Amino acid sequence: DQQVKQNSPSLSVQEGRISILNCDYTNSMFDYFLWYKKYPAEGPTFLISISSIKDKNEDGRFTVFLNKSAKHLSLHIVPSQPGDSAVYFCAAYFQGAQKLVFGQGTRLTINP
Amino acid sequence: KAGVTQTPRYLIKTRGQQVTLSCSPISGHRSVSWYQQTPGQGLQFLFEYFSETQRNKGNFPGRFSGRQFSNSRSEMNVSTLELGDSALYLCASTPTGSAYEQYFGPGTRLTVT
Repeated sequence: DQQVKQNSPSLSVQEGRISILNCDYTNSMFDYFLWYKKYPAEGPTFLISISSIKDKNEDGRFTVFLNKSAKHLSLHIVPSQPGDSAVYFCAAYFQGAQKLVFGQGTRLTINP
Repeated sequence: KAGVTQTPRYLIKTRGQQVTLSCSPISGHRSVSWYQQTPGQGLQFLFEYFSETQRNKGNFPGRFSGRQFSNSRSEMNVSTLELGDSALYLCASTPTGSAYEQYFGPGTRLTVT
């Protein structure tokens, strides 16, 4: 039962353009949504989060959008840089269960 | 502050053997969670320990177990290894008072042959 899904295993974007990573979820009880970034041979690092009561959160080049009616969130990276090439994981947190549920990850490649 | 450390970084074991992985959280963090990462499956939650007690558990068989010591260091054990246990095992620690912030270690790459 995959409660958090990232349907695109990979994405390739030109340097300087916008990268949009998508994530769908099934449980309407999630309280927070997060994005993590992972480089090879390293653990995931926290990127940005959004509360379920918000619809947008911005941090520099990174913006997360939440559409609760569609149970969908997206991460926008503008402009994309070569250092953004990594695997991005979407995660959701349910206060009642006190655990994070992760998606399968999307490998983002930024081409020069 | 030092980050989360995991040892060993790489491990090769034979089917049927058992293995113990170790995790040292960030100083002051009392919660430690373990995840299994495999291609196509993302990060699957194994269990979480807080103050030496298992607070949460994922859907893994009983061959997977863990414990936490009084200094918050944690160990994970897998008995009777199967080929499908080959994965990256990640440990994460959470600061007290935080609901969802998790700081990950680099992981232990386990290969079962």
